[in-house]
Amino acid sequence: EAQVTQNPRYLITVTGKKLTVTCSQNMNHEYMSWYRQDPGLGLRQIYYSMNVEVTDKGDVPEGYKVSRKEKRNFPLILESSSPNQTSLYFCASSLSAGDSSYEQYFGPGTRLTVT
Amino acid sequence: GQNIDQPTEMTATEGAIVQINCTYQTSGFNGLFWYQQHAGEAPTFLSYNVLDGLEEKGRFSSFLSRSKGYSYLLLKELQMKDSASYLCAVRWGSTLGRLYFGRGTQLTVWP
Repeated sequence: EAQVTQNPRYLITVTGKKLTVTCSQNMNHEYMSWYRQDPGLGLRQIYYSMNVEVTDKGDVPEGYKVSRKEKRNFPLILESSSPNQTSLYFCASSLSAGDSSYEQYFGPGTRLTVT
Repeated sequence: GQNIDQPTEMTATEGAIVQINCTYQTSGFNGLFWYQQHAGEAPTFLSYNVLDGLEEKGRFSSFLSRSKGYSYLLLKELQMKDSASYLCAVRWGSTLGRLYFGRGTQLTVWP
């Protein structure tokens, strides 16, 4: 089944802890992206990747890192988590970013709470 | 960047037609998406417009006017299951990777 998976789905951690949220897609998509969704603010893009080894900042990259060493995986790393990173995180992928291959498939989301 | 504006909430009755508007800044525009998001779920793709005009897909249609910085999503023959948040998103800039979302329009369909 074609899908985007994220792990973990729920996470509670403490300030200062390093953590990684994994994202994997099995559709051979070139483009992947991370978003956070907060009440009243909507979805905001954190980082995106046009292809392997090509990543770029979105709207709210501060406090996050990403890597794209292989096509299927795009982990989101919080080097030192803080309470303002408490949010619902979505990973998404599409065949490519341009032309007609634009439809993004979203993962189920990861709810992160930092205390 | 982008400033995307859409109404916060709308209500309608089953069987009716509703139009959800979205306005955006035209500079750097490179395509507009509409997504549907049910409570507690991930967004799902509805439509994509990059040229002016109307795109129809079953009960859902989306319209774009690039010169006006304006789009709308038209939902016909509303059903209870259409109660959801509708997200307008603009692809911005030459790299095609940047995507800006509006805050979403929460649509409630009453019986």
